[in-house]
Amino acid sequence: EVQLVESGGGLVQSGRSLRLSCAASGFTFDDYAMHWVRQAPGKGLEWVSGISWNSGSIGYADSVKGRFTISRDNAKNSLYLQMNSLRAEDTALYYCAKDMCSSTTCPMENWGQGTLVTVSS
Amino acid sequence: EIVLTQSPGTLSLSPGERATLSCRASQSVRSSYLAWYQQKPGQAPRLLIYGASSRATGIPDRFSGSGSGTDFTLTISRLEPEDFAVYYCQQYGSFLTFGPGTKVDIK
Repeated sequence: EVQLVESGGGLVQSGRSLRLSCAASGFTFDDYAMHWVRQAPGKGLEWVSGISWNSGSIGYADSVKGRFTISRDNAKNSLYLQMNSLRAEDTALYYCAKDMCSSTTCPMENWGQGTLVTVSS
Repeated sequence: EIVLTQSPGTLSLSPGERATLSCRASQSVRSSYLAWYQQKPGQAPRLLIYGASSRATGIPDRFSGSGSGTDFTLTISRLEPEDFAVYYCQQYGSFLTFGPGTKVDIK
C-alpha cells in the first residue's frame, strides 16, 4: 500500500524558513516523479512544485519560484520542500503527491494527508 | 499558463440523479492531459480520471470523463451518497494547473 507521510509544518513568522519532508513507502520511490500541492484554508488546490525521478526535471509555480526548493533523496525514500522568505499567503495545508510517471507530466495518483504551514505576519 | 474554469461553482442534486461538471481551458490542453479529482471534507484529493477519459484504479464506472481541446466534462451517472464532494479538474500538459472546483451538494 502506498503511504506518503508529510512532516515539518508549523507556525512560523513571516520572512523565516521551514523545511517540509515526505516519507514514502509501499512503492519503488525512485521510479516516480513527486509533487508538492498546497491548499489554503477554505480554498482550492494549487500545485507548488514537482521533481522527476532522478531530479533531472524540476518545476515551480510562479508564486514560489526563487523562494522554495524541492529535492529528493531516493536512498531515503524521501521528498523535501525548503521554503524560504515565507509570506502570509503561503499559509496552507501542504500535500505530498506521487505522480503516475517518472517525469512530472502525469497526474497525481496518491496523496498524503498533508502538513499545515501557518505564516504569521 | 493554462487557466482552467469550472462550472457550475455549486451543483445541488439528489442521490440517484446525474451530475455533469464542466472544465474549460484558456488554451488547448496538449494530448488531452486532463485529470479530475474528488475531495471530501478533511480528506486528501483522490484521482478519478486521467487522460480526459481513463478511470483511475478502483474508480466506479458511474464516473466518466470526456472532451478534448479546451472543453472537458466529468459525468457521474447516478449520484451515490458518498459522491457529494468537491471536484477539481487539472491539466498536466503544460506545467500543472488546477481549476477552482465544483462543489456537488445534496439538494
